[in-house]
Amino acid sequence: AQTVTQSQPEMSVQEAETVTLSCTYDTSENNYYLFWYKQPPSRQMILVIRQEAYKQQNATENRFSVNFQKAAKSFSLKISDSQLGDTAMYFCAFQNNNDMRFGAGTRLTVKP
Amino acid sequence: SQTIHQWPATLVQPVGSPLSLECTVEGTSNPNLYWYRQAAGRGLQLLFYSVGIGQISSEVPQNLSASRPQDRQFILSSKKLLLSDSGFYLCAWSWAGGPADTQYFGPGTRLTVL
Repeated sequence: AQTVTQSQPEMSVQEAETVTLSCTYDTSENNYYLFWYKQPPSRQMILVIRQEAYKQQNATENRFSVNFQKAAKSFSLKISDSQLGDTAMYFCAFQNNNDMRFGAGTRLTVKP
Repeated sequence: SQTIHQWPATLVQPVGSPLSLECTVEGTSNPNLYWYRQAAGRGLQLLFYSVGIGQISSEVPQNLSASRPQDRQFILSSKKLLLSDSGFYLCAWSWAGGPADTQYFGPGTRLTVL
């Protein structure tokens, strides 16, 4: 069975600085998708970034980028130029077919 | 564009009462549909998913059930709620017809069982 581990329950960063959230996963599959979702206090789950396992190039979305290391089964999220609105829970997720597994989440606080 | 709705937004129910949560998707046809539960301070747990009308797959055996009476409608039900059913319930959809892809979430329903 696939498992997703986020080893940082809480993190904080100063506004305008850079922070990296860690995620590791375990799978025997070769083709899958990886995601980072953001859950602000409203609890709406918002897609941040998506990575296909067959692509070697790391995905980027504006201030958000990932470091995908398939052999190490690692998928970290880097947030550059952190903003107060980035304060939220961040969930790493693994998907193969219709099986989506989430990590326990990292609570990120951006301090002014 | 596609939108996903859930209602009610908040629900307080006594133990032993029935439950019906509804999820509808607009702007797409034959989506894959999902129900998740999120306990306080935890990640999401997949409960059910559906790839078509009347087709339901259960991931976690419990006293909940799901139905898909229409193409873009997904319902989560229970005949008798337990205290442990309290949580935040999220519905999601994804495009059908190809490899599993990004799931888009609704606003969620906060359920408290007393």
